[in-house]
Amino acid sequence: KNEVEQSPQNLTAQEGEFITINCSYSVGISALHWLQQHPGGGIVSLFMLSSGKKKHGRLIATINIQEKHSSLHITASHPRDSAVYICAVLGSNFGNEKLTFGTGTRLTIIP
Amino acid sequence: EAQVTQNPRYLITVTGKKLTVTCSQNMNHEYMSWYRQDPGLGLRQIYYSMNVEVTDKGDVPEGYKVSRKEKRNFPLILESPSPNQTSLYFCASSPRRGLPAGYTFGSGTRLTVV
Repeated sequence: KNEVEQSPQNLTAQEGEFITINCSYSVGISALHWLQQHPGGGIVSLFMLSSGKKKHGRLIATINIQEKHSSLHITASHPRDSAVYICAVLGSNFGNEKLTFGTGTRLTIIP
Repeated sequence: EAQVTQNPRYLITVTGKKLTVTCSQNMNHEYMSWYRQDPGLGLRQIYYSMNVEVTDKGDVPEGYKVSRKEKRNFPLILESPSPNQTSLYFCASSPRRGLPAGYTFGSGTRLTVV
């Protein structure tokens, strides 16, 4: 079983829909990252979370440390949101800088 | 412009011919790391460095070497490349652990070993 599991693997939605992508992990962490990989391959860091909730524009990320679960939400989705969204966790031990990644959720927004 | 620069973007090489992929950042970041991305396996960490002369193995270090002689540069060295090292490689940097900062990624290097 992977240490970081994302769901769904693929998601197709109509423009304007509310999108939720989930990430579950099985190890102790100090932080969780959400990344966006564009169709051209470039990777952008969206959020780093250690507790609670963060919002940036139409993107919202939440984390529940007790349940070892995080969600990424996109409100009023747009075709330009089409990308692969990747969850990554950073180990909880100081000095351990290993990032472990989920395999990503491919999101396609249809106009 | 704050960025992580990887070179080359594309590389085709033959088995056994030593190669180096360069990575440079201009943000004075302490932390740098290398990842490879393969279909179905996602991103996996190869090596990371928490500061100059401090490096450590990630999940898939076999067949790779790194060095961190200066803060800005973190080259990835394949001493004897093999076809199973054909992959998409990313370098990334971040300020340091504990700060609410994300990672800045390079544009990627697509390596093919024949």
